[in-house]
Amino acid sequence: EVQLVESGGGLVQPGGSLTISCSASGFTFSSYEMNWVRQAPGKALEWVSYIDRSASRMEYADSVKGRFTVSRDNAKNSLYLQMNSVTAEDTAFYYCARDPHSGSRFDSWGQGTLVTVSS
Amino acid sequence: EVVLTQSPATLSLSPGERATLSCRASQSVDIYLAWYQQKPGQAPRLLIYDASNRATGIPARFSGSGSGTDFTLTISSLQPEDFAVYYCQQRKYWPPLTFGGGTKVEIK
Repeated sequence: EVQLVESGGGLVQPGGSLTISCSASGFTFSSYEMNWVRQAPGKALEWVSYIDRSASRMEYADSVKGRFTVSRDNAKNSLYLQMNSVTAEDTAFYYCARDPHSGSRFDSWGQGTLVTVSS
Repeated sequence: EVVLTQSPATLSLSPGERATLSCRASQSVDIYLAWYQQKPGQAPRLLIYDASNRATGIPARFSGSGSGTDFTLTISSLQPEDFAVYYCQQRKYWPPLTFGGGTKVEIK
């Protein structure tokens, strides 16, 4: 069974940093591209970041470019999102999502981790 | 950036009725459009990809159609578990990958 489990969310102060993780199981992690998608409470889905199988290509939404960094460790079946200089607008549930090919579709999702930016 | 506009924002229907949801793209995305279902407190679930292909395990009452700028998700006969929010997503021109604003299907 495909499983994606996010962790590391919590309360962070404006201007602060936080790294969230996604642990994958039930499939060959290194064969899939991965994405982060977020959802502010009561709002629509927003794509945040993409990373290819070998971590040679990363893409970001303009809203997070230069502040967020996506990475992965295929040996540990794990995906990460380092979030720096956060603002209240970054408050959201963050989901990791599996991607068979270049944003074609998000065919499996984690349950999400909540990041709250507040003083 | 490709903007996806979903309509209506809310659809009020009874179980057993047919639901027709629309997604319009600001420019042609060919067939590169997916649909997701999200229930309260849950992660989204892939329903349809490449406009008309049902994802694994998705019931046949869900169907997708369209190409270019106009797409439709149809639920042929609403079941109680189908009341949820539905999102479309394009991957023709990216980054960024973009989602529509969602359509809520509620019980009338």
